[in-house]
Amino acid sequence: DSGVTQTPKHLITATGQRVTLRCSPRSGDLSVYWYQQSLDQGLQFLIQYYNGEERAKGNILERFSAQQFPDLHSELNLSSLELGDSALYFCASSVVAGVGTQYFGPGTRLTVL
Amino acid sequence: DQQVKQNSPSLSVQEGRISILNCDYTNSMFDYFLWYKKYPAEGPTFLISISSIKDKNEDGRFTVFLNKSAKHLSLHIVPSQPGDSAVYFCAASADIQGAQKLVFGQGTRLTINP
Repeated sequence: DSGVTQTPKHLITATGQRVTLRCSPRSGDLSVYWYQQSLDQGLQFLIQYYNGEERAKGNILERFSAQQFPDLHSELNLSSLELGDSALYFCASSVVAGVGTQYFGPGTRLTVL
Repeated sequence: DQQVKQNSPSLSVQEGRISILNCDYTNSMFDYFLWYKKYPAEGPTFLISISSIKDKNEDGRFTVFLNKSAKHLSLHIVPSQPGDSAVYFCAASADIQGAQKLVFGQGTRLTINP
């Protein structure tokens, strides 16, 4: 158990819908990262937040957004969903904003029908 | 542009022998490297890391070697155990303006045969 929690574990929705994925980092970690793992892809970095502020952006679509709240939990919002958005979404956390070890949650499996 | 490559999608090793997983990277800005292990339906689990100022880091049965001139790192597992069967991801990290850019390889599926 990494100490990072993600809800829900599974999510099934239809195209065009909007969903919110939630992540609680390990106690004491200030950085939260979001990753997407599609069927044939490795882990793709989406976005990083550090202590409530956006710190880095990766391959995140404009239809996706995230935020980190004062209690340091984070939410990833996915809107106008398409079939290709079906994937595993992982959250990770670390103590620092820069180089360091990231600890991953169990993931949310999103299926778009 | 695949900045981190694990060229072997799968590897099969006999229990008790050494498992060697390889990883190559292209960006010389990467200065911290990590290996993660992933079981189906679970998140990646951190295994071991190495900073670019070192060429070897050891933790129990796991040793990571870094060859900066060749931009190559490897993970050695010895002796290999059936519970080591999983997908192993190599990741490379660089600090970009105070943020961590972590790039993952495609993974190698390791199977340990009894």
